[in-house]
Amino acid sequence: QKEVEQDPGPLSVPEGAIVSLNCTYSNSAFQYFMWYRQYSRKGPELLMYTYSSGNKEDGRFTAQVDKSSKYISLFIRDSQPSDSATYLCAMSAGNQFYFGTGTSLTVIP
Amino acid sequence: NAGVTQTPKFRVLKTGQSMTLLCAQDMNHEYMYWYRQDPGMGLRLIHYSVGEGTTAKGEVPDGYNVSRLKKQNFLLGLESAAPSQTSVYFCASSSGQPQHFGDGTRLSIL
Repeated sequence: QKEVEQDPGPLSVPEGAIVSLNCTYSNSAFQYFMWYRQYSRKGPELLMYTYSSGNKEDGRFTAQVDKSSKYISLFIRDSQPSDSATYLCAMSAGNQFYFGTGTSLTVIP
Repeated sequence: NAGVTQTPKFRVLKTGQSMTLLCAQDMNHEYMYWYRQDPGMGLRLIHYSVGEGTTAKGEVPDGYNVSRLKKQNFLLGLESAAPSQTSVYFCASSSGQPQHFGDGTRLSIL
């Protein structure tokens, strides 16, 4: 069983839609949870970063962590064509990081 | 505000050749990491360092060596390149949480 599971998609939505991206994990020791956005031929860019359970909002982006269910989500409101990218979830315990394989998102104008 | 800088950005090697990838960070981070990213397999950790002069093996270390002689630099070496090492290589650094990535080195081994 992989440490982190993420649906690879691809996911295609119309502009303005609400997007929900999700990951599950198996290691209850994870304390830090991250979402990265990766554009084609670029490195992962940190989008959201949360510690333990709860919600965090930053503009159109909301990250949710449910440690009891070992489930994290990223919501994108009013999606834009510029949001088209691959989204990676990541989590860590100590200085070791574990990544999902990424979900490819396309927002159609 | 450079962050994490990787050189070179692209490289083509022949089987058996050697090369070194350079990662430099200007954030004074203690931890540095080398990953490879392959389609459908996500990011896989090759080697990492928890401080100057230290290195440790990750998930896929075979065929690679690393050195961290200076805190700001982390070098990844391929001693005898193989076609299976064709990949995109990413360096990351952190002061604990979270990691910050460079833009990668695209390496093709013919």
